[in-house]
Amino acid sequence: GAVVSQHPSWVICKSGTSVKIECRSLDFQATTMFWYRQFPKQSLMLMATSNEGSKATYEQGVEKDKFLINHASLTLSTLTVTSAHPEDSSFYICSARDLAYEQYFGPGTRLTVT
Amino acid sequence: QKEVEQNSGPLSVPEGAIASLNCTYSDRVSQSFFWYRQYSGKSPELIMSIYSNGDKEDGRFTAQLNKASQYVSLLIRDSQPSDSATYLCAVNRQAGTALIFGKGTTLSVSS
Repeated sequence: GAVVSQHPSWVICKSGTSVKIECRSLDFQATTMFWYRQFPKQSLMLMATSNEGSKATYEQGVEKDKFLINHASLTLSTLTVTSAHPEDSSFYICSARDLAYEQYFGPGTRLTVT
Repeated sequence: QKEVEQNSGPLSVPEGAIASLNCTYSDRVSQSFFWYRQYSGKSPELIMSIYSNGDKEDGRFTAQLNKASQYVSLLIRDSQPSDSATYLCAVNRQAGTALIFGKGTTLSVSS
């Protein structure tokens, strides 16, 4: 089956620093990837839709200048959390959509901002 | 009104029993419906997808969809302790768009 990886699987950073999270489709091309965020005891909330070669579409309330998304190739999308603060601590999960419109989730990245 | 609603639980069933999980959605144009299982600290994993009214069975799992009532359910037969997890209902308006998730129902299966 299709595999999506994320790197890193967990990261701890200091307040004010930036963190980059990678999402890769390992055995298929993904023109579209989705970034979700999940706080403890909450459901997955869509942050943005990432399309290869174009600007990402952000959901209402998500700051595009804080959460930078780059989808430069058909197998890689990156999410950079800039000037991270403790309230950005969360579980970040990407999903990648293949040509048949099936979606596959990555294993997630646990971000802790101290 | 939330787009996808689930009873947060916890739902507790004994081993071997049938667990019934329910979900309602508000957008009538929703096309696709999914059930995901999520263990603590892990990413969701797809259990079932259903696109048309009626039942769909896969092993111990049966998904039921009623578009008129905007209702989708998941039955787990012969529940096992390893089924203990949070079950997320998700919908999307059209193929390929982002999924909209409910808050999830926590299932606990006791041995």
